[in-house]
Amino acid sequence: DTEVTQTPKHLVMGMTNKKSLKCEQHMGHRAMYWYKQKAKKPPELMFVYSYEKLSINESVPSRFSPECPNSSLLNLHLHALQPEDSALYLCASSPPGGAADTQYFGPGTRLTVL
Amino acid sequence: KNEVEQSPQNLTAQEGEFITINCSYSVGISALHWLQQHPGGGIVSLFMLSSGKKKHGRLIATINIQEKHSSLHITASHPRDSAVYICAVSPPGGYQKVTFGTGTKLQVIP
Repeated sequence: DTEVTQTPKHLVMGMTNKKSLKCEQHMGHRAMYWYKQKAKKPPELMFVYSYEKLSINESVPSRFSPECPNSSLLNLHLHALQPEDSALYLCASSPPGGAADTQYFGPGTRLTVL
Repeated sequence: KNEVEQSPQNLTAQEGEFITINCSYSVGISALHWLQQHPGGGIVSLFMLSSGKKKHGRLIATINIQEKHSSLHITASHPRDSAVYICAVSPPGGYQKVTFGTGTKLQVIP
């Protein structure tokens, strides 16, 4: 299994809703990432988990809450989002060790906040 | 912080043409990545380079560490190559914080 999967593919939510995005990989990778990508812009790093511990939080608002329950699974919990949070949310993973490892990206979840 | 610049921003080519996309960065890196993103979202990692040249099928990537420059070449381009190509760099030590370029949108016309 050499892929990163993300569910759902599309999500529409209201500003008062609570929803979660899910990311899964079974490649034995120990670093997992959440990115946010607005149209025609490069991805922006949100969070990094390394060995299931949060290692980087790029000053993301608390309405985004990441969770890494195990080495294969990464969640992003969403609550009280704003319309400007509408974007493509990408998950990635990379192998353990090495100074710079290829990041394997998932297909993304396209989020629309109404 | 590393500044990553790509050129051109947009590129239209006829099927069969040889294509070159360039990437320059401002400070030292541990590796450079070329990524491909098709309409609809998903990103595919094409290459990771720390020196020299790599080839995969019709794609060739080169890097010149001294000049802080990389190129992605596509030989015998095909309409299915139409996508956004993104250059990204990993800093020394902080490999998890990749800096992305703004992308090159390629359209290959039959």
